[in-house]
Amino acid sequence: DAGVTQSPTHLIKTRGQHVTLRCSPISGHKSVSWYQQVLGQGPQFIFQYYEKEERGRGNFPDRFSARQFPNYSSELNVNALLLGDSALYLCASSLSLDRTYGYTFGSGTRLTVV
Amino acid sequence: SQQGEEDPQALSIQEGENATMNCSYKTSINNLQWYRQNSGRGLVHLILIRSNEREKHSGRLRVTLDTSKKSSSLLITASRAADTASYFCATVHPNDYKLSFGAGTTVTVRA
Repeated sequence: DAGVTQSPTHLIKTRGQHVTLRCSPISGHKSVSWYQQVLGQGPQFIFQYYEKEERGRGNFPDRFSARQFPNYSSELNVNALLLGDSALYLCASSLSLDRTYGYTFGSGTRLTVV
Repeated sequence: SQQGEEDPQALSIQEGENATMNCSYKTSINNLQWYRQNSGRGLVHLILIRSNEREKHSGRLRVTLDTSKKSSSLLITASRAADTASYFCATVHPNDYKLSFGAGTTVTVRA
């Protein structure tokens, strides 16, 4: 079985542009979370979706939005990009909303805003 | 803002030695997890310890948890070059499901 798949792996955008990042969870996993990791820091929680509903939102501006599709894949959208949005964006999947197990992460999308 | 703080920020050891890193956190937790990250790529889940557990082992990994001190430690025994990575602790609050990460410890294992 494939793990968590994220696309694209790398992306360069200009300030003010919009970006869409994609994530496919492990087959059978119904929860997807997004994290932002700025260089030299730990990941910061952005969103969590379960069964296509938003179940948590981190302290990020409204320029950040996400959704989960019926097949449980997810998109993270960022509008009006700023230089500070440059980061590694990580997607994590889990079977359900369950604190029993850890999360499985994808390899991330490296976003550079110039 | 980060929930936890790892200590030390960086650690360099010889192959075969043990590596110990610590994590302190601020709020009550349901569980604490440790993850490894190689070269700024995806995170790999290593071990999860629940708030009612004090110690857990997985292969060469040993994790302890002291909820009274709001701290945890990760011990890697008989380190190998392949253990070179950044290690993060992450907590899950009892009323939540998200991971709150610390800033990480960068471990370098010298051959």
